Amino acid sequence: GENVEQHPSTLSVQEGDSAVIKCTYSDSASNYFPWYKQELGKGPQLIIDIRSNVGEKKDQRIAVTLNKTAKHFSLHITETQPEDSAVYFCAASRGNYGGATNKLIFGTGTLLAVQP
Amino acid sequence: DGGITQSPKYLFRKEGQNVTLSCEQNLNHDAMYWYRQDPGQGLRLIYYSQIVNDFQKGDIAEGYSVSREKKESFPLTVTSAQKNPTAFYLCASSKGPGEQFFGPGTRLTVL
Repeated sequence: GENVEQHPSTLSVQEGDSAVIKCTYSDSASNYFPWYKQELGKGPQLIIDIRSNVGEKKDQRIAVTLNKTAKHFSLHITETQPEDSAVYFCAASRGNYGGATNKLIFGTGTLLAVQP
Repeated sequence: DGGITQSPKYLFRKEGQNVTLSCEQNLNHDAMYWYRQDPGQGLRLIYYSQIVNDFQKGDIAEGYSVSREKKESFPLTVTSAQKNPTAFYLCASSKGPGEQFFGPGTRLTVL
């Protein structure tokens, strides 16, 4: 079945360093790839997303890259700050491909800790 | 304020009881979703609805039921048939293909 693998499960960095989280998806029909940030006890919030017609997208300190051939996509956070500490989830979706609904398949999450 | 609200924030259930979790959105979104989150796992889809009066099972629908009588509301009932209901439940909505907006969640504990 459809699957998204996410690595690493935990990541500790020093403030100011970069953090990279990687995901691999199995469904070649996936065309939408969001990244969510979840703080303790709260619902996930979208921080950036990318569609399959582009290879990279950047928003200030956050960037996402997509390699469709390898079915990999990654989240890059530069100049990390303590408030970046949270759990990050990647996800993949077919969108409306083939009449399917916008069903998101989530990775298992990465706990990012930014040490001051 | 536009957004998704879930209630209650915390819910305790005795074994054998049914409980209903509320989810309301005022974003005028057509699609709504229910996810379950367990420690160390990603979000798993329970049920989804693309339009009023229609809904489909997700990956882990057993022991759950939903209704979609109004566009704004998508309540989830956790029945006594759900053997391990203790979890964090998240509701989401979307306009179409693309971003799903999540509510703050309900933490359900079975006593």
